[in-house]
Amino acid sequence: DVKVTQSSRYLVKRTGEKVFLECVQDMDHENMFWYRQDPGLGLRLIYFSYDVKMKEKGDIPEGYSVSREKKERFSLILESASTNQTSMYLCASRSAGGFYEQYFGPGTRLTVT
Amino acid sequence: AQTVTQSQPEMSVQEAETVTLSCTYDTSENNYYLFWYKQPPSRQMILVIRQEAYKQQNATENRFSVNFQKAAKSFSLKISDSQLGDTAMYFCAFTGANSKLTFGKGITLSVRP
Repeated sequence: DVKVTQSSRYLVKRTGEKVFLECVQDMDHENMFWYRQDPGLGLRLIYFSYDVKMKEKGDIPEGYSVSREKKERFSLILESASTNQTSMYLCASRSAGGFYEQYFGPGTRLTVT
Repeated sequence: AQTVTQSQPEMSVQEAETVTLSCTYDTSENNYYLFWYKQPPSRQMILVIRQEAYKQQNATENRFSVNFQKAAKSFSLKISDSQLGDTAMYFCAFTGANSKLTFGKGITLSVRP
């Protein structure tokens, strides 16, 4: 089974802090994604990566950056956390071939105070 | 741009009964994939079922089946013999040539004992 793990289930940070959210997948997937999930808005794509060191902006990249130095790991960075970034963050991975289905991690509930 | 619409924010069904969740989408592409994802209260998002647009036959996975109407751009999910474990948020999602998933806002399904 595909396993996608995220470094924390719950995280509380202060405004202005630099925040790192880590995601690791164990299925050698080429593609990885970061979403944020908010009530009534569904899932919105922040950034995605087709391969190591490659990244592309999603629909809401402002205030975020990403890093992918190794194939299995995709990090989301909040350079200076703000209260409007309080949300659930979901990581997903997918094989470049196949049926395009994405496999999700358990999510990180981030609260910025 | 693709859009996915889930117009019902929540539904409730009696255990052992059948329920249908609605989804419509808009795209100009001809080849694409559609998915239903389930997110139980524990928050891990899992794939329920997928449908390839080029296949006329509706996908089925045990108690879950879809009614795919390509011309109408409709993709509903039917859950037969509902179980308490089906209580979750369900997301309809679309992916096309750009390989990104576009999600609907989700529907909260409650199964009553």
